Amino acid sequence: DTAVSQTPKYLVTQMGNDKSIKCEQNLGHDTMYWYKQDSKKFLKIMFSYNNKELIINETVPNRFSPKSPDKAHLNLHINSLELGDSAVYFCASNRQGDPQETQYFGPGTRLLVL
Amino acid sequence: GQQLNQSPQSMFIQEGEDVSMNCTSSSIFNTWLWYKQDPGEGPVLLIALYKAGELTSNGRLTAQFGITRKDSFLNISASIPSDVGIYFCATRRGSSNTGKLIFGQGTTLQVKP
Repeated sequence: DTAVSQTPKYLVTQMGNDKSIKCEQNLGHDTMYWYKQDSKKFLKIMFSYNNKELIINETVPNRFSPKSPDKAHLNLHINSLELGDSAVYFCASNRQGDPQETQYFGPGTRLLVL
Repeated sequence: GQQLNQSPQSMFIQEGEDVSMNCTSSSIFNTWLWYKQDPGEGPVLLIALYKAGELTSNGRLTAQFGITRKDSFLNISASIPSDVGIYFCATRRGSSNTGKLIFGQGTTLQVKP
């Protein structure tokens, strides 16, 4: 039983293309996140949604647009891909108010822009 | 912005050795978290700390929340090959439990059998 799943696991595409990454969690959590991990392994939050509403939006280019159709899904659409978008993108989820802070991460989507 | 400084950046040790890594900041935090990322996977929470001075263990792992609330360390005793991975410290920005985490740069651990 996969807790947080992401598709695709690998994504290779040309500069200028538009692509989407999907995330689903079956943990019943109400909050979901997108993180970006760069080539130096640095992890940085991009977005957070709680009950389908955007609550965190870091300084991310507006080419990145998250969409949450329901509490269990948070997809990330990227327009006009650039070379610098190459990274590993992680989805995560937790329950707001969880005193244990446990964010469960997906396996990551490795994006390579050529 | 707020930054976590994690050291060392990488470690290469012999199986059976003990390992220590730490995380410091110029800011005060109310939470310190330690995550491990296995190769090709997402980070997994190892230990969470909520009180200054708190010392918590999880098997061979021990972590402490510094008294000044500006630092934390993680120790791994008697390392084994499956301890290989990247260890991240993290903390929460802001007072509400929105879960916005800030991560350190990571410590890459390699264990030689």
